[in-house]
Formats: sequence, C-alpha cells, structure tokens
Amino acid sequence: DGGITQSPKYLFRKEGQNVTLSCEQNLNHDAMYWYRQDPGQGLRLIYYSQIVNDFQKGDIAEGYSVSREKKESFPLTVTSAQKNPTAFYLCASSPGARANEKLFFGSGTQLSVL
Amino acid sequence: AQSVAQPEDQVNVAEGNPLTVKCTYSVSGNPYLFWYVQYPNRGLQFLLKYITGDNLVKGSYGFEAEFNKSQTSFHLKKPSALVSDSALYFCAVTAGGLTGGGNKLTFGTGTQLKVEL
Repeated sequence: DGGITQSPKYLFRKEGQNVTLSCEQNLNHDAMYWYRQDPGQGLRLIYYSQIVNDFQKGDIAEGYSVSREKKESFPLTVTSAQKNPTAFYLCASSPGARANEKLFFGSGTQLSVL
Repeated sequence: AQSVAQPEDQVNVAEGNPLTVKCTYSVSGNPYLFWYVQYPNRGLQFLLKYITGDNLVKGSYGFEAEFNKSQTSFHLKKPSALVSDSALYFCAVTAGGLTGGGNKLTFGTGTQLKVEL
C-alpha cells in the first residue's frame, strides 16, 4: 500500500455523530479518490480531487464531505446524514488524472455504527 | 454506460494447478482494463493493465491476462497457483482516450480466489 496512509484502521460512529477519516500520501500525486467498499458490491466512488483546492462528487457523495487544502491530504467526513455508513473506506491516489494510470491504495478504514 | 462483470463469486483451485479468474466488460470505444488484488483488511494492489498493443499482458507475481476484443473479455490467469494467491480479485475498466483516471473507473464486484493444498 506504499505511500498512502489511512487512519484510523477501525472507527466507530454513534448516532448523529460526524466522523472524519484521514488520508495522507507522500507520492506527490495530484489526484486523490475516496471509495466505499461493501461486500459483494465492488468499489463505488464517493469523491475525487484532481488538484489542490478542487474536488468533485462521485457516484455516492450524499452524506459525505471532503476537503483538499494540501496536496498530500484528502480527509473524508462521514456526516450524520449518511444513514448507512457501515463499510470499508478506501483512499487512493494517482500521479495525474489520465485513464491509463494505475491507482495506489491505502490500507483502508473500517467504519461501523455503534 | 460502462460495466464490468465477474461472473464467479469464488474460484477454488488446487496449488500447482492453473487458475483463471473471468472478467467481461462493456465500454464505448477502446477499453483500458485493469486487475487489482485485495488481501484481507487491506487496500487494493495493482496487478496489471491493458492499454494497447499485445493482447497478452504480464503483471506482478506471475499473473497474466489476455485481452479478447471480440469476446469483450480480460481473463486473469496464472500457470501454477500458490496458496498465497488466495485473495479477492477485482477487474476494472475505463474508456481509453478520455481524460479522467480513477473517477472514470468501473470496478467489478470481485472474485474470491481460494487456493488449497
């Protein structure tokens, strides 16, 4: 998973609480992504950022928010509006935003609801 | 809309035997195809990709994949499976020639590979 650090590894959310998942990369990549993984459903894109101070909604952005104030950091906040947040969350990066580039993934955060 | 199908939820194979994990895709235009592997409670790791050129693509850990345009398939193969190959494998596709990286990728639902002694 080299170069991308996600924390914490496990996170528990109480009803009505916002929680923030951290993602840091030291690969000097421009593009960063957040995916949600549910069993049997593959990966679904939540948000992505192709450059600092810019980000775009993915396929399932409702109930989530992000920021990209620094090139190396792309935190994800799971808000109380996300009614089914239990999932494995994966952060990824790529050098740019070209279709032929591979993604580099972090080791993930498992979020569960108390 | 583009899509990926991995028709088998699980593939079982004996160590030393060849393995195949199937993937078919649908995309407008030329496809860019990827295989990733995920070990338990870990992120995905890149195995190989097809962009253009030779239909047989070689990747990490002895894996290879064959691009078949007429059958719209990109099956992952390995001549001799190892117990350590047991993991979850994802196929992904995007339309070639467009800008956009991971935001344009469509992933399959994954195939669990189990290699037994």
